[in-house]
Amino acid sequence: QVQLQESGPGLVKPSQTLSLTCSVSGVITRSGSYYWSWIRQPAGKGLEWIGRIYTTGDTKYSSSLKSRVTISVDPLKNQFSLTLTSVTAADTGVYYCARDDKVGFDYWGQGILVTVSS
Amino acid sequence: DIQLTQSPVSLSASIGDRVIITCRASQGIRNDLGWYQHKPGKAPRRLIYAASNLQSGVPSRFAGSGSGTEFTLTISSLQPEDFATYYCLQHNSYPLTFGGGTKVDIK
Repeated sequence: QVQLQESGPGLVKPSQTLSLTCSVSGVITRSGSYYWSWIRQPAGKGLEWIGRIYTTGDTKYSSSLKSRVTISVDPLKNQFSLTLTSVTAADTGVYYCARDDKVGFDYWGQGILVTVSS
Repeated sequence: DIQLTQSPVSLSASIGDRVIITCRASQGIRNDLGWYQHKPGKAPRRLIYAASNLQSGVPSRFAGSGSGTEFTLTISSLQPEDFATYYCLQHNSYPLTFGGGTKVDIK
């Protein structure tokens, strides 16, 4: 069955770069039927869409984060990744990767808590 | 960006109650809206897609309706496992946006 799993450091220092990877199984990221997204829940707040990538490499990003975000895909490893630069405490929260079947998110990873602190 | 406004922000209800949550879009989004349930420590779960289509495996007490700018999620008879936060999401145009959430807790 389809599974997604986030991985990466749980602690990042302010002003540094947050990097997370989503490993996908049960479906190939090369499939033209899906987009691959990152979503987060900042501490004490609601869900926030960060951005997505398509198999062609086409990306779309949140307006508020696009100056700091890059999403990439590695079809050989069947993974996609998130990079967020110049992090602050406001970036602390749970980060999810998800599959977008073009009518929303049907499969999600379990989430990974990232804390920004010195 | 399209703004989604959910109401109420929170509500208290009893087992068996009928619960209605509303999501208003800042511009027309056809039926490009879904509803998600989120419990602490778990991944969000899609309940409804394309405004009114029930996700496979989701109980039939959940129902979605609406189009354009006004949407509702109805839980016909609230069950203990339904206490959670509910979010709407629009996928009509980028950037995708979520509503602010509605927390449903026990009265």
